[in-house]
Amino acid sequence: DTGVSQDPRHKITKRGQNVTFRCDPISEHNRLYWYRQTLGQGPEFLTYFQNEAQLEKSRLLSDRFSAERPKGSFSTLEIQRTEQGDSAMYLCASSPSKGTDTQYFGPGTRLTVL
Amino acid sequence: GENVEQHPSTLSVQEGDSAVIKCTYSDSASNYFPWYKQELGKRPQLIIDIRSNVGEKKDQRIAVTLNKTAKHFSLHITETQPEDSAVYFCAASLYSSASKIIFGSGTRLSIRP
Repeated sequence: DTGVSQDPRHKITKRGQNVTFRCDPISEHNRLYWYRQTLGQGPEFLTYFQNEAQLEKSRLLSDRFSAERPKGSFSTLEIQRTEQGDSAMYLCASSPSKGTDTQYFGPGTRLTVL
Repeated sequence: GENVEQHPSTLSVQEGDSAVIKCTYSDSASNYFPWYKQELGKRPQLIIDIRSNVGEKKDQRIAVTLNKTAKHFSLHITETQPEDSAVYFCAASLYSSASKIIFGSGTRLSIRP
């Protein structure tokens, strides 16, 4: 499968714990995006990387959230001190730097905070 | 910032009939409008997109229209089939910056046999 992959697909955690998600974009896609989707809503933008540089962050991304893309390939999203309101589907998408604006989504990581 | 409104939130049509989903956007600078289909438990998948230099685009049974003046765009599905049942999201973005996509709230389309 050469599409965007995410790991884990499901995560159940207790309130106050830290969690980390991983996204592997399509090979050679320079741009990587994180979105959050709650039930019955469209995806909401969280943050965006061009190669290893984090170029934009949403105000939704509180100081408990941090994202990295250290080598410009895979990315991680960490949530510290999880809250019940963090329960959502976390989607990753990638896009090539030239030729198209299409963003290709991964299958998502569903987070449940108890 | 950009805001995308989508209507209706749910839509039920008879198999074989047409379905229309309408969206409006607020930022006149937006110039890229993708539509995504999301089946239950699956990832959003791009079905069609349009850029602001084009008023209409068609791909088999799917067409999208764009009215830049009114800041409206619509998705039209003709000859609907059971596999068209899904949630559809419209979205807007600023193409030149490869920026974030702002999504509408989605339309749950059900096709009645």
